[in-house]
Amino acid sequence: DGGITQSPKYLFRKEGQNVTLSCEQNLNHDAMYWYRQDPGQGLRLIYYSQIVNDFQKGDIAEGYSVSREKKESFPLTVTSAQKNPTAFYLCASSPYGLAGGPLRYEQYFGPGTRLTVT
Amino acid sequence: GEDVEQSLFLSVREGDSSVINCTYTDSSSTYLYWYKQEPGAGLQLLTYIFSNMDMKQDQRLTVLLNKKDKHLSLRIADTQTGDSAIYFCAESMGNAGNMLTFGGGTRLMVKP
Repeated sequence: DGGITQSPKYLFRKEGQNVTLSCEQNLNHDAMYWYRQDPGQGLRLIYYSQIVNDFQKGDIAEGYSVSREKKESFPLTVTSAQKNPTAFYLCASSPYGLAGGPLRYEQYFGPGTRLTVT
Repeated sequence: GEDVEQSLFLSVREGDSSVINCTYTDSSSTYLYWYKQEPGAGLQLLTYIFSNMDMKQDQRLTVLLNKKDKHLSLRIADTQTGDSAIYFCAESMGNAGNMLTFGGGTRLMVKP
């Protein structure tokens, strides 16, 4: 079964600790994304990567870091510098990193990780 | 910058039609999308429309696009309780890359 997975589903951390959220896809997609969703709000883009070993900051990258060493994996680290880390984090991928057509923009989402920092 | 807006909440009775509205700002958007998010889950693509189309129908879903007014709507016919979810519209950004800008989401509640 092809898909995009995120683990764990729920994560609890103490304030001041870094935490890494996992995102893996076996869809052979070029591009991957991290979004943050707060209650009653839409998605805000944290980081994205269109190709291995390259990634770009999104709208709210401060306090977060990513790596893209493998096509299948795009882990997100929430650092202690992130002032309000408690949120629902969604990872997504899309098939055509730099190609055209509607599927270029279609994003497939993982089930999300709910991070609570106390 | 680009901004996509949706009303926050919609409540309908089972069997009625639901209409979820969205306005966007990037006139160079090529494609517009509707996603559905069930509680505690990721987003699933429902449908998309190419910007040179006015309407697209897919079973119970009808998408209408008014490009002049930059207005997009999603109509769900014969709404069921299983349709209760948050619905996001998204526009493809006109610049390079394969980015989407999402609206804030409309929470649809279907009452039996």
